[in-house]
Amino acid sequence: QKEVEQDPGPLSVPEGAIVSLNCTYSNSAFQYFMWYRQYSRKGPELLMYTYSSGNKEDGRFTAQVDKSSKYISLFIRDSQPSDSATYLCAMGSARQLTFGSGTQLTVLP
Amino acid sequence: NAGVTQTPKFQVLKTGQSMTLQCAQDMNHEYMSWYRQDPGMGLRLIHYSVGAGITDQGEVPNGYNVSRSTTEDFPLRLLSAAPSQTSVYFCASSYTGGATNEKLFFGSGTQLSVL
Repeated sequence: QKEVEQDPGPLSVPEGAIVSLNCTYSNSAFQYFMWYRQYSRKGPELLMYTYSSGNKEDGRFTAQVDKSSKYISLFIRDSQPSDSATYLCAMGSARQLTFGSGTQLTVLP
Repeated sequence: NAGVTQTPKFQVLKTGQSMTLQCAQDMNHEYMSWYRQDPGMGLRLIHYSVGAGITDQGEVPNGYNVSRSTTEDFPLRLLSAAPSQTSVYFCASSYTGGATNEKLFFGSGTQLSVL
């Protein structure tokens, strides 16, 4: 079993839809939770970062962490074609991160 | 500000050949790392460094060597390329210490094919 499991997708939604992306994990030592966005043929870039359980909002993006269930989510409101990318969850402790395999999202105009 | 720069962007090797993937950052980051990205596998850590002269192994280190002689540069060497090393390689760096270590800045990647 992988330490981090991510919905494989691909996911295709119409413009303006609410998108929900999810990951589960098995390692209770994980303390930091992140979402990276990766456009085609580019390196990942940090989108959201949180330490603790609860919600964190940044514009149209909300990251949710539930440590008791070992479950994290990323919500995208009013999705735009420019949100089309692969979204990678990542989590870690100390100096190493473990990444999910990524969910490919396409937002159709 | 260039950030993290990787060269080359594309490379084709024959089995058994050796090569070095270059990575340089201009943000004065202490922490640098190499990942490989394969379909369905996510990003897997190969090697990392927490400062000049200090390196350590990640999840998948076999077949790769690294060194860190300066803060700016962190080259990845393939000693004898194998088809299993066909992948996209990313270099990443970050500030050191505490939680901020995990905010990684990635290069644009090197797509490597080993025939």
